[in-house]
Amino acid sequence: NAGVTQTPKFQVLKTGQSMTLQCAQDMNHEYMSWYRQDPGMGLRLIHYSVGAGITDQGEVPNGYNVSRSTTEDFPLRLLSAAPSQTSVYFCASRGARNIQYFGAGTRLSVL
Amino acid sequence: QQQVKQSPQSLIVQKGGISIINCAYENTAFDYFPWYQQFPGKGPALLIAIRPDVSEKKEGRFTISFNKSAKQFSLHIMDSQPGDSATYFCAARARGGGAQKLVFGQGTRLTINP
Repeated sequence: NAGVTQTPKFQVLKTGQSMTLQCAQDMNHEYMSWYRQDPGMGLRLIHYSVGAGITDQGEVPNGYNVSRSTTEDFPLRLLSAAPSQTSVYFCASRGARNIQYFGAGTRLSVL
Repeated sequence: QQQVKQSPQSLIVQKGGISIINCAYENTAFDYFPWYQQFPGKGPALLIAIRPDVSEKKEGRFTISFNKSAKQFSLHIMDSQPGDSATYFCAARARGGGAQKLVFGQGTRLTINP
């Protein structure tokens, strides 16, 4: 049982480059979300989705886009990377009893 | 503005001791309070959770104490072990309809010295 799978694990970008962080879950969960983790800031919600075709903004959405074409996948897109987006990104899906299952994270550096 | 405030930022406890991490909130609409444990290089994982209709929940060596009137809740780790060394996050979720998003505290890096 894979759970929540994130790729890549590490990525280095130059300012202005674009990229997509991939997230897939095999638990048939409707709710999925993206967080960023920064020292002293905890986990902050970027975007979330309550089901295929439905997405909404979280606490820190600027500079990020998402889409949800299938239940399984919830990619996060950085259109023009900035140094302020250097962070560790976590994807999560929520199952029964409100338990959120997190992926292992993507460590992103923007130079 | 941090909706859930967590302290301390870091904590060092001797093996066998009690580790205590505290969280405070303002939003009275919160009705679910989980704690997550995160090991280096891994994603957070649910450790234990409580709802405000009880004042305490215990699972093994881990206990959540909840004070609804003070809007505070805390995690107690009894007989702390080196394997408990990790970052701990408290969180809260508002009741009602909609997406019921989780908001997290800032995290506490716990180190258990052998």
